[in-house]
Amino acid sequence: AQSVTQLGSHVSVSEGALVLLRCNYSSSVPPYLFWYVQYPNQGLQLLLKYTSAATLVKGINGFEAEFKKSETSFHLTKPSAHMSDAAEYFCAVSRGAAGNKLTFGGGTRVLVKP
Amino acid sequence: EAQVTQNPRYLITVTGKKLTVTCSQNMNHEYMSWYRQDPGLGLRQIYYSMNVEVTDKGDVPEGYKVSRKEKRNFPLILESPSPNQTSLYFCASSPTGRVLYEQYFGPGTRLTVT
Repeated sequence: AQSVTQLGSHVSVSEGALVLLRCNYSSSVPPYLFWYVQYPNQGLQLLLKYTSAATLVKGINGFEAEFKKSETSFHLTKPSAHMSDAAEYFCAVSRGAAGNKLTFGGGTRVLVKP
Repeated sequence: EAQVTQNPRYLITVTGKKLTVTCSQNMNHEYMSWYRQDPGLGLRQIYYSMNVEVTDKGDVPEGYKVSRKEKRNFPLILESPSPNQTSLYFCASSPTGRVLYEQYFGPGTRLTVT
């Protein structure tokens, strides 16, 4: 069975500071990994995805994530936080190439302080 | 505008009173899915559909039914709702069931069962 662990349910950062959200996964097969963002009162939208090509993946809004197989991690970063980054972020892993099934982590809520 | 719509957005009901949450997409997507979101648990898949007349259980199907008679619609049915089904529900769709494709999420339906 696949699982996803997000370390820290809440993260507070100052505007302009580095954003680092941690995600570790377990998977019995090579994984496909995703980061989704949920803004208040909205559905989820895709930030970026890893599909076994480059290990450093760039997404929208200046976010990027690095796949590290040895650490089974897929941490999300952004060099400089903006007030508009306040949202909840979800890491997710696929259950295999057949069937679009996602297993989500518990989510990390980001608060950006001015 | 390409989108996934859900109705209603908010619903308060009583135990045992059958209800249906509708989901519709206008992108001609084959794959559709229902998730529930609970604090600290992320999103968990309830049911999914690979195409018309093809549905299957996700991780937490108990107490729910779905149907896929038309490509664009994927209603979620709670025949006898219970308080433990109080949650935030999301419908999602993607072009096919292959995991490489992004899932597009609706705005969510907040359900309270008293």
